[in-house]
Amino acid sequence: DIQMTQSPSFLSATVGDRVTINCKASQNINKYLNWYQQKLGEAPKRLIYNTNSLQTGIPSRFSGSGSGTDYTLTISSLQPEDVATYFCLQHNSGPLTFGSGTKLEIK
Amino acid sequence: EVQLVESGGGLVQPGRSLKLSCLASGFTFSNYGMNWIRQAPGKGLEWVASISSSSSYIYYADTVKGRFTISRDNAKNTLYLQMTSLRSEDTALYYCARLAYWGQGVMVTVSS
Repeated sequence: DIQMTQSPSFLSATVGDRVTINCKASQNINKYLNWYQQKLGEAPKRLIYNTNSLQTGIPSRFSGSGSGTDYTLTISSLQPEDVATYFCLQHNSGPLTFGSGTKLEIK
Repeated sequence: EVQLVESGGGLVQPGRSLKLSCLASGFTFSNYGMNWIRQAPGKGLEWVASISSSSSYIYYADTVKGRFTISRDNAKNTLYLQMTSLRSEDTALYYCARLAYWGQGVMVTVSS
């Protein structure tokens, strides 16, 4: 199975900051990497699919990049409503596997 | 609006069975493969099972193979997960998901 290593586990940032979250796969996942946001008590929401495609309705401050084994979610200007847990998911091969999550808070 | 609404969870004794349902709306259910994903308390996400749009392809995690059965009824827009021989380690919040959309989850607690 492909292992996904996500970092950091916890992130505290100021409104307006540029924030990056990383996922590293144990092998090449050919850009089949999605990013999700989960707020407390809510269903996970897909932000980015296939590395860099923005889900309809998601603000453009969210973006994704990467290739091979290394992928990044960037929030260009952090907003208060972005407080949530973020996780990655690979769907390239084998069972779906997930990053362990990044809890993002506002300083 | 796409909605996935899980039901059927609850408290069950070890060794017993439980069947989860997921009612889909807002999209053509029969066109999409579906998944069950779970998250144990304080733990990460774990894929449980997948089923293709016409039920031709079905896959299970090793941890549930032989005990859980995923199925679907496209006429009823409903995904199912039949869980048997339940163990304490099956205690989790169970999500029904397309990759693009997830339900809010249903809690399954296995305890005597």
